[in-house]
Amino acid sequence: EVRLVESGGGLVQSGGSLRLSCAASGFTFSSFALTWVRQAPGMGLEWVAIIGTGGGIYYAESVKGRFTISRDNSKNTVFLQLDSLRAEDTAVFYCARWLGSGGYYAGTYYFDSWGQGTLVTVSS
Amino acid sequence: QSVLTQPPSVSGAPGQTVTISCTGSSSNVGAPYDVHWYQQVPGTAPKLLISRDSNRPSGVPDRFSGSKSGTSASLAITGLRAEDEADYYCQSYDSSLTTYVFGPGTRVTVL
Repeated sequence: EVRLVESGGGLVQSGGSLRLSCAASGFTFSSFALTWVRQAPGMGLEWVAIIGTGGGIYYAESVKGRFTISRDNSKNTVFLQLDSLRAEDTAVFYCARWLGSGGYYAGTYYFDSWGQGTLVTVSS
Repeated sequence: QSVLTQPPSVSGAPGQTVTISCTGSSSNVGAPYDVHWYQQVPGTAPKLLISRDSNRPSGVPDRFSGSKSGTSASLAITGLRAEDEADYYCQSYDSSLTTYVFGPGTRVTVL
């Protein structure tokens, strides 16, 4: 069974930083792309960042330059470093496995398994 | 503001059929890029419901079905049940924005 468990959320002041972690199990971690998707309170879903199996990385424009995604295949863990946080970054952050083929710009990808989420609250 | 449009809410009585639309444009749904659907019961994480327009992952009841035509996709729920009360999101890729996009979500209420 695919399992994704996020951690690292919490309350932080505007301008501060947090590092989110997502521990994966139940599949061959190194063979899959992983993503972070966030959901602001009462709002819809927004993908944030994607890291491929070969290390290819893509970010949403709203977080480019402030968030950094990385992975450690030896620990089956994907990370999201959040810097220069703003009040509008307040959200539940979900880790998800990303399935598709042909590379990012092929447009075939979707989010097939999700973690339970971790809440990030940025106070102004 | 998403490039994919969904109705904010739909409702139906138990046993009825409801349909949720996801309308895009020639740079996403009509390109045609695949449309995928997710179910999110309030307070829980999203769950993949339909992939690649009409494919049901293992474990998803066949009461859920997806289709696509032109610049619109649809999710149908037949034999509506109380446990189907949730938010439903469509997702695709937009070649103009070069990003993966979600629709704004549709709340399904079982009367």
